[in-house]
Amino acid sequence: DGGITQSPKYLFRKEGQNVTLSCEQNLNHDAMYWYRQDPGQGLRLIYYSQIVNDFQKGDIAEGYSVSREKKESFPLTVTSAQKNPTAFYLCASSQGDIHPPGNGYTFGSGTRLTVV
Amino acid sequence: GQSLEQPSEVTAVEGAIVQINCTYQTSGFYGLSWYQQHDGGAPTFLSYNALDGLEETGRFSSFLSRSDSYGYLLLQELQMKDSASYFCAVSTPLYGQNFVFGPGTRLSVLP
Repeated sequence: DGGITQSPKYLFRKEGQNVTLSCEQNLNHDAMYWYRQDPGQGLRLIYYSQIVNDFQKGDIAEGYSVSREKKESFPLTVTSAQKNPTAFYLCASSQGDIHPPGNGYTFGSGTRLTVV
Repeated sequence: GQSLEQPSEVTAVEGAIVQINCTYQTSGFYGLSWYQQHDGGAPTFLSYNALDGLEETGRFSSFLSRSDSYGYLLLQELQMKDSASYFCAVSTPLYGQNFVFGPGTRLSVLP
């Protein structure tokens, strides 16, 4: 079945450490996105990519980095510059050639990151 | 700037009808979507309105008024499994036609 796989489901980060969250999709979607969700709040866009080897900053890109070397993969690195990284991170994808994505996004099951 | 407003919480009983409102202020507008998210889970897409009017999908309906910058999600014949958070999301030219999400409405369905 097609879908988006995020790993790991839970991740613990020490102060000053970089960590990378994985996001893989087999939906043949062009566009991929990373969102951050804090408890009781909505989703805020971190980065998005509409084609391979290209990505753009969202609302809260500071302290994060991404790469899009393959259509299927869009990993997110939470760097030590991100001072408050504890949150639920969601990866999504959509048919990038349909604007706007009337069928909405397909989301992964998320990674819960905690700083210890 | 972009802003979306939704009630933070709504409570209803099984079998009832509930309406979750969403008002928005955005730079440009393509359409309004609704997503459902159960605790600890991923959001799932429910509906999308690009034109004014009511769209019905089973027990769920979604309405849009572009002139009023307003929409709502209507849930009928509520079931316990409908207890979740519901997010409206506006598609705008910002960020390449991506969606900007509202803060979410927590729906609790009581027996």
